[in-house]
Amino acid sequence: GAVVSQHPSRVICKSGTSVKIECRSLDFQATTMFWYRQFPKQSLMLMATSNEGSKATYEQGVEKDKFLINHASLTLSTLTVTSAHPEDSSFYICSARDPLSNQPQHFGDGTRLSIL
Amino acid sequence: DQQVKQNSPSLSVQEGRISILNCDYTNSMFDYFLWYKKYPAEGPTFLISISSIKDKNEDGRFTVFLNKSAKHLSLHIVPSQPGDSAVYFCAARGGNSGNTPLVFGKGTRLSVIA
Repeated sequence: GAVVSQHPSRVICKSGTSVKIECRSLDFQATTMFWYRQFPKQSLMLMATSNEGSKATYEQGVEKDKFLINHASLTLSTLTVTSAHPEDSSFYICSARDPLSNQPQHFGDGTRLSIL
Repeated sequence: DQQVKQNSPSLSVQEGRISILNCDYTNSMFDYFLWYKKYPAEGPTFLISISSIKDKNEDGRFTVFLNKSAKHLSLHIVPSQPGDSAVYFCAARGGNSGNTPLVFGKGTRLSVIA
């Protein structure tokens, strides 16, 4: 079964809307979660590293005021795309790893964001 | 600059034959490599991994080979089955921490034809 749950799976909304995406680790606590973005026929690109209880670390070129990350608990990280525009339309996906196991990172099922 | 490259966007293989998916990397600091499989509308699912101290890791029908000098790894699937049809991503990371982010290739779409 899924060890990382992501919600919603699909969002279609108007330009200017803010969209919140949730990423939950199931059955384990994750001090670190990762947010990736994938454009069509491209690789998954790391956007930011979400750290529980502290500020997220953003990759170069990713606007932290545009993509707000909150990791308020050990099982939940949220990504909010603020004032979304059509160019923000993409597939957003999170991952987390159980630090107490040797398992690799597990991914959520992703969120397809379409901004009209 | 792509640090992990999958130069074949697609591959078609007959059922029962071997599928070979290739991956090259440029960052010599990478020391752990993974293959993920992805179906449409789902997140990537971990398949198999290999540490840089090894040159081969096998798990059932899946074998990953690592050639450090060539900075090249490959995933072999034998025998290939129609259910293996998916996009396969090669990923790499550096450092000893499992919490180091992964760097992905663009993926190779494998189609196994019955």
